[in-house]
Amino acid sequence: SYVLTQPPSVSVAPGKTARITCGGNNIGSKSVHWYQQKPGQAPVLVIYFESDRPSGIPERFSGSNSGNTATLTISRVEAGDEADYYCQVWDSSSDHAVFGGGTQLTVL
Amino acid sequence: QISLKESGPPLVKPTQTLTLTCTLSGFSLTTSGVGVGWIRQPPGKALEWLALIYWDDDKRYSPSLKSRLTITKDTSKNQVVLTMTNMDPVDTATYYCAHSGPSRGDYYYMDVWGKGTTVTVSS
Repeated sequence: SYVLTQPPSVSVAPGKTARITCGGNNIGSKSVHWYQQKPGQAPVLVIYFESDRPSGIPERFSGSNSGNTATLTISRVEAGDEADYYCQVWDSSSDHAVFGGGTQLTVL
Repeated sequence: QISLKESGPPLVKPTQTLTLTCTLSGFSLTTSGVGVGWIRQPPGKALEWLALIYWDDDKRYSPSLKSRLTITKDTSKNQVVLTMTNMDPVDTATYYCAHSGPSRGDYYYMDVWGKGTTVTVSS
């Protein structure tokens, strides 16, 4: 089964840039999607197809994907961005969706 | 506006079968391309994808849980039902359903989620 690896936590000061990585074997050949989950709430899609943003998601959220690492980048981080972030791909070998272990973003 | 609402028993006993219902609003599973999936999250842990059903009754399951899961749709009620057999305390989690568009396989993603329903497995 395909494994996605995320750092458990990332910390960033307000106004700075946060980068959250998602590692997987040749993940650059896959479509990667990102979800934000605030405490006590359901996940929200923030990036799909590596770098597309759903309506209502600020331009500060962007994504990239190459080689063995996909990255969610949050520019000009705000206190309200503090949340858990999950990457997701489709494991075509066994035909099911896979989530990463999640990264807790802390705004200092 | 698309929305989904999960419902089910808050407490089940070990070995029992869990039945969860996802009621759809603002869209229908008779519409070409639409999909609805189930995802769970144990307390303090990561998301785990469970199953998916498309408008054309195409279904997918998590390999690790496939033997215990069944996903069905009731288009007359605009609902999707997930059953999970032989429940165990490790299945204690918040269970979410989520809408997906026509992108299948490698392009699958979940764009609208329900608020979730919490299920505790305990005797």
